[in-house]
Amino acid sequence: IQLTQSPSSLSASVGDRVTITCRASQDISTYLVWYQQRPGKVPKVLIFSTSTLQSGVPSRFSGSGSGMDFTLTINSLQPEDFATYYCQQVKSYPLTFGGGTKVEIK
Amino acid sequence: QEELQQWGARLVKSSETLSLNCAIYVGSFSDHFWAWIRQTPGKGLEWLGEINESGKTNYNPSLKSRISISMDTSKNQFFLNLASMSAADTAIYYCARMKSLHFGVSSVPYYIDYWGQGSPVDVSS
Repeated sequence: IQLTQSPSSLSASVGDRVTITCRASQDISTYLVWYQQRPGKVPKVLIFSTSTLQSGVPSRFSGSGSGMDFTLTINSLQPEDFATYYCQQVKSYPLTFGGGTKVEIK
Repeated sequence: QEELQQWGARLVKSSETLSLNCAIYVGSFSDHFWAWIRQTPGKGLEWLGEINESGKTNYNPSLKSRISISMDTSKNQFFLNLASMSAADTAIYYCARMKSLHFGVSSVPYYIDYWGQGSPVDVSS
């Protein structure tokens, strides 16, 4: 299953609302995970099962979607949110990741 | 101490086999999947394969018969072997723990909650 993220990069300011999309090549129900990777760090899970926030993740992060189209939204972007975001499908093997969306400071 | 600590060769010659180890310091093998993932600037994140507490493995077909994942429960470690390395296998390799989602008596991987620190691997010709 291929995952296509868009955009591949974006520039935003602190306080902005940011939306990242992930499109699957086939129906994956809600078996989608979002990760954040800061430069030089390992990825960190933000959201699993499309919309369930991992413990400790700020509530400004939210996820939605089902089937083939999914969205990660960051409300009121903070300085620590500038990072690369990846989606991953866990519906079927081989597990696959999206190509990533780099969120940069405008 | 890291929850997952990995080590192994950082430089591998072309056509040789990469061997990486991952020690588990968070929980035990039970009730999780143990995966290897690699990351390159060009291809991003790639799931290589996994092993569960019963020793059952799943591999990425893109690696065909080159990959082997095994475990030693007595040492709380699991391992990656990737044969016939080429320049295309140059990457940062991560071990990772995946939480399980249960469906009755069976379970499937759900999401990655712990990552190893990463092992940069370079392939020389």
